[in-house]
Amino acid sequence: ILNVEQSPQSLHVQEGDSTNFTCSFPSSNFYALHWYRWETAKSPEALFVMTLNGDEKKKGRISATLNTKEGYSYLYIKGSQPEDSATYLCAFKSGGSNYKLTFGKGTLLTVNP
Amino acid sequence: EADIYQTPRYLVIGTGKKITLECSQTMGHDKMYWYQQDPGMELHLIHYSYGVNSTEKGDLSSESTVSRIRTEHFPLTLESARPSHTSQYLCASQQGEKRETQYFGPGTRLLVL
Repeated sequence: ILNVEQSPQSLHVQEGDSTNFTCSFPSSNFYALHWYRWETAKSPEALFVMTLNGDEKKKGRISATLNTKEGYSYLYIKGSQPEDSATYLCAFKSGGSNYKLTFGKGTLLTVNP
Repeated sequence: EADIYQTPRYLVIGTGKKITLECSQTMGHDKMYWYQQDPGMELHLIHYSYGVNSTEKGDLSSESTVSRIRTEHFPLTLESARPSHTSQYLCASQQGEKRETQYFGPGTRLLVL
């Protein structure tokens, strides 16, 4: 059974703060790491798909890094805004023939105005 | 924005009733998935399909069944609902290579009394 851990479980920040959280995954048989943002009552929205060790991806104020050798990815949000409030999920895909994702429990981010 | 739909969004039903959760996508994706999520827990894969007439059970055992008669449609059925089936059910679809993202529907929140 694959284990994907996210920390912290929840986070409260003030508007304008920068923040980051972690996703840990198995360092062997790595294929891809996905990040999603999930706002309440909406569909999870894909942020990044990361495949190469050392990958850095950026989308507006949100960026992510990947270390496949040690099995972790960081998600950074610069200058948090209330609309960034959501649960951030990471999902690991191993090598092999299947297409299945293994999800972490997510980090719930609340940005206070 | 992904075109994947789920109905109903919310369902409250009595024990013993048969229910079908609908999922449809208009993107022509060949791969489709059903996830179950309990509060504070990970999304767990319960069913998946890699194409028409192909269905497989996921990592989490489920009493539900699925069918894939048409590419765009992947309904999930519970023959006799029980309170233990109370959960959130999300449908997703994917096309192409393994590194491609999965697109999610908004989910169905099921409460069995």
